[in-house]
Amino acid sequence: EVQLVESGGGLVQPGRSLRLSCTASGFTFGDYAMSWVRQAPGKGLEWVGFIRSKAYGGTTEYAASVKGRFTISRDDSKSIAYLQMNSLKTEDTAVYYCTRGGDYSYYGMDVWGQGTTVTVSS
Amino acid sequence: EIVLTQSPGTLSLSPGERATLSCRASQSVSSSYLAWYQQKPGQAPRLLIYGASSRATGIPDRFSGSGSGTDFTLTISRLEPEDFAVYYCQQYGSSPSFGPGTKVDIK
Repeated sequence: EVQLVESGGGLVQPGRSLRLSCTASGFTFGDYAMSWVRQAPGKGLEWVGFIRSKAYGGTTEYAASVKGRFTISRDDSKSIAYLQMNSLKTEDTAVYYCTRGGDYSYYGMDVWGQGTTVTVSS
Repeated sequence: EIVLTQSPGTLSLSPGERATLSCRASQSVSSSYLAWYQQKPGQAPRLLIYGASSRATGIPDRFSGSGSGTDFTLTISRLEPEDFAVYYCQQYGSSPSFGPGTKVDIK
């Protein structure tokens, strides 16, 4: 079964850091770009960023709202994608979803994790 | 950055009725990179349509997508009880973005 499982969410103070993990199973992880999408309480979906597969350079792109503060990385040997979040702000409070796919992916973002909740509050 | 707008914001319909949801882009989107997602309360989004008109695996044929350029449409031919949800369009070309969503609720 194709599956993504996020972990690492929790309560964190403004200005602090948090790292989320996305563990994949059921497919060849290294062949795919991976994205992070977030959803603030009661709001819509916001693309956060993605990391391309190694075949496409493993490069990353980010939304303007997180650029310079968030970093996406991947460990293909462990089938894990990471979202390192630094200098967190209260407006980063959201459910964070890991998804399979990135820019120009043929099938769009076709697999989603269940999400992990990040709350930024003092 | 491509900005997507969706209309209407809320669509109130009865089971069995036809739903037509609109997604408009601020600039042309390659049809290959336009998707629709369904989200129910407390759940992750689910891919319905990719490439503007291709149904994802396991999606019933009452869901159909169409459009090109800056105007795209998701049609649900006959609403089933499980179809009442929020629907998002997304362009997944350069710097992916989502529309604000259309809520389909029971009239």
